[in-house]
Amino acid sequence: SAVISQKPSRDICQRGTSLTIQCQVDSQVTMMFWYRQQPGQSLTLIATANQGSEATYESGFVIDKFPISRPNLTFSTLTVSNMSPEDSSIYLCSVETGPLNEQFFGPGTRLTVL
Amino acid sequence: AQSVAQPEDQVNVAEGNPLTVKCTYSVSGNPYLFWYVQYPNRGLQFLLKYITGDNLVKGSYGFEAEFNKSQTSFHLKKPSALVSDSALYFCAVYNQAGTALIFGKGTTLSVSS
Repeated sequence: SAVISQKPSRDICQRGTSLTIQCQVDSQVTMMFWYRQQPGQSLTLIATANQGSEATYESGFVIDKFPISRPNLTFSTLTVSNMSPEDSSIYLCSVETGPLNEQFFGPGTRLTVL
Repeated sequence: AQSVAQPEDQVNVAEGNPLTVKCTYSVSGNPYLFWYVQYPNRGLQFLLKYITGDNLVKGSYGFEAEFNKSQTSFHLKKPSALVSDSALYFCAVYNQAGTALIFGKGTTLSVSS
């Protein structure tokens, strides 16, 4: 298994500002993912972040709004830029690892935009 | 496109009774199916997955799931529910690239004592 931590665990932000969420894994992993879970909704994949290459964004998500960094095999950041109340969600980091290529999830970052 | 559907928003069951949380899938190619559970204020936890082989998959916390190709279903089951099983359950399938998960909308399981 993998132990994943995220910072911050929660934040309340003002409209128009940006927040960077950090994801740290206790082992080296090739693939990291960022998901969004809007209130009362399921999880939606934002992007896949591989070390050494540009993140791959899903339909409806763009790099200018959600820039991602992946400087090494244990760390990634997701920035939510120019926030609006519609960005209020839980943002989850995930990694694929282990002999069965399971996906493990971090505890999430609960973001509220006022 | 790959997708999963969870037809029930909520499932209510009494403690000690068997429980079933339903999931149907639509995929191109072989389905790689998963169940995750989300307890309040906690992250997602992996329960089990089906890749190939035996249609009955056993997972964590006494849960199992039955893969049924003819009915395109992957229902989650447990013979005897516990109050502590109350949580939000997600069915998921790998995307076509086989790299990331596509989740159903989730089913809230409520087990009463």
